Amino acid sequence: GQQVMQIPQYQHVQEGEDFTTYCNSSTTLSNIQWYKQRPGGHPVFLIQLVKSGEVKKQKRLTFQFGEAKKNSSLHITATQTTDVGTYFCAGPDQAGTALIFGKGTTLSVSS
Amino acid sequence: DVKVTQSSRYLVKRTGEKVFLECVQDMDHENMFWYRQDPGLGLRLIYFSYDVKMKEKGDIPEGYSVSREKKERFSLILESASTNQTSMYLCASSPRDSLTDTQYFGPGTRLTVL
Repeated sequence: GQQVMQIPQYQHVQEGEDFTTYCNSSTTLSNIQWYKQRPGGHPVFLIQLVKSGEVKKQKRLTFQFGEAKKNSSLHITATQTTDVGTYFCAGPDQAGTALIFGKGTTLSVSS
Repeated sequence: DVKVTQSSRYLVKRTGEKVFLECVQDMDHENMFWYRQDPGLGLRLIYFSYDVKMKEKGDIPEGYSVSREKKERFSLILESASTNQTSMYLCASSPRDSLTDTQYFGPGTRLTVL
């Protein structure tokens, strides 16, 4: 069936280092969404990308949607301890009835 | 701001008990969802609803049922709780435009079945 995969599963960085998580879908997506879940919290919507090759920025976060609309990435520049959490990507299933979530990348940051 | 609330943050039940998890949203959203979240397995969709009294099975509906009698409220029912249903349960809602639109999550209920 349709799958959305994320790598890496875990990433530990020193504060100030950059971080990137990658999301790959087995099928073309109409859009890709990114969510962040802080430890002990719930997923919170960050952004949605719709267009092929789209790049969006939110302060130190850069989101990219691939040209083929099958992959996406989230890059954090100069990580801070507040970036700690699990980042999920999600895309619509082919029937358009549900979001398929990746299993997430858990980021830890040491100061 | 969209607010999704869940009846309990933590719940402990015994095997065989009937368990009700309640979710309420205040943004007049048509679509509501129940997920469970387990380490290493991510978010898995249990059931969803796109209108009052309407429900659809997600990926893992076995052992669960749902009820949506009012637009703002979506209940998840464990008919006879089992230990393998120990998990974090997350409710979410989204507006009418699409079932795959941005989802707004509640704080979650961590259920332990003994």
